[in-house]
Amino acid sequence: NAGVTQTPKFRVLKTGQSMTLLCAQDMNHEYMYWYRQDPGMGLRLIHYSVGEGTTAKGEVPDGYNVSRLKKQNFLLGLESAAPSQTSVYFCASMDTEAFFGQGTRLTVV
Amino acid sequence: AQSVTQPDIHITVSEGASLELRCNYSYGATPYLFWYVQSPGQGLQLLLKYFSGDTLVQGIKGFEAEFKRSQSSFNLRKPSVHWSDAAEYFCAVGAANTGNQFYFGTGTSLTVIP
Repeated sequence: NAGVTQTPKFRVLKTGQSMTLLCAQDMNHEYMYWYRQDPGMGLRLIHYSVGEGTTAKGEVPDGYNVSRLKKQNFLLGLESAAPSQTSVYFCASMDTEAFFGQGTRLTVV
Repeated sequence: AQSVTQPDIHITVSEGASLELRCNYSYGATPYLFWYVQSPGQGLQLLLKYFSGDTLVQGIKGFEAEFKRSQSSFNLRKPSVHWSDAAEYFCAVGAANTGNQFYFGTGTSLTVIP
C-alpha cells in the first residue's frame, strides 16, 4: 500500500519554464490538497479538491493551476515558474486524517 | 476566517523533561484538530486528532493533547521527552468530513538537549 506518492522528488527549473507535479493516492479518498512549505510559514494551502472533476482555491493559489481528472490523481501545474515558487510542495489526501506524500523540493533559478 | 496560531517558534527542552506545545485556533464551526510531526527532510506524520468526545486525546509516541473550547486551544504535551522527539510540530484545524480547507499553524521547532 503506497499511500500518497509524489513525483518528482526534486526539480530545478529556470524562470519561465513550466512543469507539473503529480500526486497519486491509492486510498480512494475524495479530498486531496496541495500545500507549499516555506521556512517560518508552515504549510500554506494552494489548491484543493473535494472529488473527481472538482478543484478550489486555497490560501495562495496565484501562479498555480490544478486538475483532478481521475479520483486518484491530483496534478499541480506551474505555467511560468518564478523564483518565488521555490519551495517544498506537499500533497495530501484525506478521510478522517490527512495522509501526506514525501514532498517535492522545487528550485526556480 | 479560520486560522491556527502556534505562538512558540522554537522550544528547547532537556531530555527527560516535560513538554507542552501551544496551539490556538479560530474556527467558525466545531473544529477537528490535529497535531502532526515532521522530521528533517520528511513528510508529515499524524500524532493525534480530536473530533469529538473526551477532550483529552492520546496519540502515538507518548503524546497527548487537550481540547479546551473555552480557550480555543489544543495544546500538545509529553511527560518525558526523548532525544528522538526533536522535530517540527504542526497543529492543524479543519472539518474532516466536509472538504473544508485544512489549515496549519506555522510550526514549532523542538530541540532536545542531553
